Amino acid sequence: GAGVSQSPSNKVTEKGKDVELRCDPISGHTALYWYRQRLGQGLEFLIYFQGNSAPDKSGLPSDRFSAERTGESVSTLTIQRTQQEDSAVYLCASSLDRYEQFFGPGTRLTVL
Amino acid sequence: AQRVTQPEKLLSVFKGAPVELKCNYSYSGSPELFWYVQYSRQRLQLLLRHISRESIKGFTADLNKGETSFHLKKPFAQEEDSAMYYCALKTVTGANSKLTFGKGITLSVRP
Repeated sequence: GAGVSQSPSNKVTEKGKDVELRCDPISGHTALYWYRQRLGQGLEFLIYFQGNSAPDKSGLPSDRFSAERTGESVSTLTIQRTQQEDSAVYLCASSLDRYEQFFGPGTRLTVL
Repeated sequence: AQRVTQPEKLLSVFKGAPVELKCNYSYSGSPELFWYVQYSRQRLQLLLRHISRESIKGFTADLNKGETSFHLKKPFAQEEDSAMYYCALKTVTGANSKLTFGKGITLSVRP
């Protein structure tokens, strides 16, 4: 594919359940980012992967959030024991250089 | 800590009117600023970056370090400019870099 893809596009879950969100970056992009966009808020940085370096996890809001990336490909964002305040659009972006990030369509998570 | 402030949530103008979307930042390092745009039902995408000093779709933005601002301007708005606009600041720590986004502003251009 030509762009960043994310799945699922929509996820509805019950409070307390775990969810996994997937991101397929543009092939060859070494950097991958996860952001969260809650209603009425800006984009909130969550985590950043750059090549084989240790990820920058400084934006993860709690230890219920974790993310993995396999090499320079797919990444999964996992939210354990979901809470209603986790409801948001989760955006993934990838980048080849330091200047432009290419965004996926997002996953809309609704926690009931 | 770095911060990006977009003081307005909504700007509504008539077609042909000038537009200025405000952005202020706070950062102790050397700033790199960007504007991203999200049109209805489309992905967030880069509009322009200060380092390029370019005009995209008639929009320009000048980095003013004295006022710590990076306002986005267009002299004559078009209906197709209606979208959500985000100002972003790149911060660098060692080999890592990340973007800090403002809360965004919705631009509505009426016919």
